[in-house]
Amino acid sequence: NAGVMQNPRHLVRRRGQEARLRCSPMKGHSHVYWYRQLPEEGLKFMVYLQKENIIDESGMPKERFSAEFPKEGPSILRIQQVVRGDSAAYFCASSPVIGLAYNNEQFFGPGTRLTVL
Amino acid sequence: GQNIDQPTEMTATEGAIVQINCTYQTSGFNGLFWYQQHAGEAPTFLSYNVLDGLEEKGRFSSFLSRSKGYSYLLLKELQMKDSASYLCAIDSGGGADGLTFGKGTHLIIQP
Repeated sequence: NAGVMQNPRHLVRRRGQEARLRCSPMKGHSHVYWYRQLPEEGLKFMVYLQKENIIDESGMPKERFSAEFPKEGPSILRIQQVVRGDSAAYFCASSPVIGLAYNNEQFFGPGTRLTVL
Repeated sequence: GQNIDQPTEMTATEGAIVQINCTYQTSGFNGLFWYQQHAGEAPTFLSYNVLDGLEEKGRFSSFLSRSKGYSYLLLKELQMKDSASYLCAIDSGGGADGLTFGKGTHLIIQP
């Protein structure tokens, strides 16, 4: 039973380029969360999605950042025109259907480390 | 607003016991999580407290006092592999929002 998968694990971009980060949730999980972790900082919530729906994007910057979770395929976090301050580790987490879960435990993927040159 | 406080760093000796504290002020509260994160790796689930009291799981125990906005993670019989960051996180409610994390406590185990 594969866990949460993220790719790429490491991504290097130059300022102004686009970054696409992919996340495949655990089998049977329909909820996906994206977090950003800056060096020496805690994980910061960005966005929460279900299939084809953005439920809460209150933690995501209004400009340059977007997320989707299509009916088929992985969830995508897209950062346009990257800047140096976007360099961070981006973690995806998934959880099963609310109400059937023992708790709101979120299972984390290995993360994508984005470096902007 | 949301505020979660943990010590930045702690040092302990192999075989000993260490307690990592977490205090919080959040607009809602559905439960408190502790995660372990080794450098460069994903956070892994350790414990979940929703009711006051102590939850024991092997060498790790977690305590919660909702009235005091306080939790601690207790690690016994410390091993070198326990060197990691320990993250306190709050589920503010409903499962609709993400977890709110503290900055984490970096635990260093010395021989």
